[in-house]
Amino acid sequence: DAGVIQSPRHEVTEMGQEVTLRCKPISGHNSLFWYRQTMMRGLELLIYFNNNVPIDDSGMPEDRFSAKMPNASFSTLKIQPSEPRDSAVYFCASSLAGDGHTFGSGTRLTVV
Amino acid sequence: QQQVKQSPQSLIVQKGGISIINCAYENTAFDYFPWYQQFPGKGPALLIAIRPDVSEKKEGRFTISFNKSAKQFSLHIMDSQPGDSATYFCAARSARQLTFGSGTQLTVLP
Repeated sequence: DAGVIQSPRHEVTEMGQEVTLRCKPISGHNSLFWYRQTMMRGLELLIYFNNNVPIDDSGMPEDRFSAKMPNASFSTLKIQPSEPRDSAVYFCASSLAGDGHTFGSGTRLTVV
Repeated sequence: QQQVKQSPQSLIVQKGGISIINCAYENTAFDYFPWYQQFPGKGPALLIAIRPDVSEKKEGRFTISFNKSAKQFSLHIMDSQPGDSATYFCAARSARQLTFGSGTQLTVLP
């Protein structure tokens, strides 16, 4: 199993641009989570899906953030427009029945 | 009530020593308590986990001690090695969601 696959690994973009982060969960896992990690705030849950349905998006910081899961093998996190304070490492994780999450390697986003 | 408090923030241990990281929680609905290990540039990786119906779980050099009445749990790393140097996160699960502690940066000196 290739694990949770995220792309891109690094993204540098200018303020105001749209950013799309991608995630392929582990096959058979039915829950998918998007996290943001910063030095100041640690690991924050942004949104999670169960069986492709968004269950809790209360962690999404603003309307500039949106996430979709069109099928069981793909999810996106979009930021539009991006701002410098969005700079962070974004992780996708998946799990089966909510047990231990398997994390991807993350996308390091820098907004200049 | 959803917080998980982790200490210490950083820890330095000599090779061969015991590393101990502590976590405390308030929410009695938490039903699963994993620990994650994160190396620089990598995602957190599940290290060991425990459910509240047991007081201890051991896997190799790693042991979780769980005190349900005190709402505390801890990670013990026996015979710590330089390769264990990483950031460790405790977490607690409720309704499929994990709440993470703030992390402990462990440095094991050779």
